[in-house]
Amino acid sequence: GAGVSQSPRYKVAKRGQDVALRCDPISGHVSLFWYQQALGQGPEFLTYFQNEAQLDKSGLPSDRFFAERPEGSVSTLKIQRTQQEDSAVYLCASSSGGNQPQHFGDGTRLSIL
Amino acid sequence: LAKTTQPISMDSYEGQEVNITCSHNNIATNDYITWYQQFPSQGPRFIIQGYKTKVTNEVASLFIPADRKSSTLSLPRVSLSDTAVYYCLVAYSGGYQKVTFGTGTKLQVIP
Repeated sequence: GAGVSQSPRYKVAKRGQDVALRCDPISGHVSLFWYQQALGQGPEFLTYFQNEAQLDKSGLPSDRFFAERPEGSVSTLKIQRTQQEDSAVYLCASSSGGNQPQHFGDGTRLSIL
Repeated sequence: LAKTTQPISMDSYEGQEVNITCSHNNIATNDYITWYQQFPSQGPRFIIQGYKTKVTNEVASLFIPADRKSSTLSLPRVSLSDTAVYYCLVAYSGGYQKVTFGTGTKLQVIP
């Protein structure tokens, strides 16, 4: 497809489990962003990649959150030892760089029981 | 990053023009103003972006005064399908577009 694809769309995990969320950006987009969106709030920045380099991870809430983009295309956001407060929608966006607008996927809704 | 302030919610009847104003008093010289639309269970969708004066595309217009401390998104003749949350963002263009979303404006279009 032509847009940003995220999988799974929904994920339910028990507290303490590890989860991995996948993002397929638009082909050729060098910039990739991850956001966390709580219910009723706007998306909050987590981390940014330029190609395979993670240039900004200032928004990651704890060291349990880890993101990678090893070949500069697909990205994975991993959350270890999940907690209930990690329940949110995780959005991925990509852009061609600079001030070009970001194109968002429809997110993964994560529920921690 | 410049902080933005916009109304929490707005109601409008179908067919009317809707103007949503956003204030961004500490916008920097290299910052762009961008608006996104978000429907429930979907990711935000880019609407329009501008630096100064007026920008128009097929879905909206963006008005930015000379001091750039505010901006107004104008949606002509809204329909029920325009019911959504609208976010005003100020993004630094010098490196990459790191943006901060606020809580947005929830627009409810009434039949």
